[in-house]
Amino acid sequence: RKEVEQDPGPFNVPEGATVAFNCTYSNSASQSFFWYRQDCRKEPKLLMSVYSSGNEDGRFTAQLNRASQYISLLIRDSKLSDSATYLCVVNGRGQNFVFGPGTRLSVLP
Amino acid sequence: DGGITQSPKYLFRKEGQNVTLSCEQNLNHDAMYWYRQDPGQGLRLIYYSQIVNDFQKGDIAEGYSVSREKKESFPLTVTSAQKNPTAFYLCASSISGHANQPQHFGDGTRLSIL
Repeated sequence: RKEVEQDPGPFNVPEGATVAFNCTYSNSASQSFFWYRQDCRKEPKLLMSVYSSGNEDGRFTAQLNRASQYISLLIRDSKLSDSATYLCVVNGRGQNFVFGPGTRLSVLP
Repeated sequence: DGGITQSPKYLFRKEGQNVTLSCEQNLNHDAMYWYRQDPGQGLRLIYYSQIVNDFQKGDIAEGYSVSREKKESFPLTVTSAQKNPTAFYLCASSISGHANQPQHFGDGTRLSIL
């Protein structure tokens, strides 16, 4: 089983839609969780950290379920500019980060 | 402006040649990292350094070497022993090497074989 798994998509949604991504991780000792976004042929950029109680940043909501070992990202009122690949990042064994393969989102006009 | 600078943006390597990718940061971060990304895949850790003059192998260190002589610089050498070097190389840094600190990335170097 891979350390971090994501649905590769692509998710094709109309503008204004709500879309949710899930990410599962295998290391039950993981303590740090992040979502990054990566535009085509660009570097990943930090979108948000994920806290145990869940957290929100504008249209973006991140949640953590430790018992089931997954994190989620919810995007409300999708914009064209949200089109990107969303990377789930978890700290693995030895504290290093493990990046998921990413979920591609296309927001359509 | 504070940030992480990678150069060159594009690099071509001949068979049997070593090439060095530059990564410089002026964020005063202690920890620095090198990843490679292949099409459709996640980032894989090559090497990381949590402090000057110290570095550790990541998951795919074979065929690569690094140095960390200065806090702000973490160059990566792709040696001729790396048989499949074509990839997108990303350098990152974080305030410390602790897992709760997010990593911030440079804009990458694309390496191709001639």
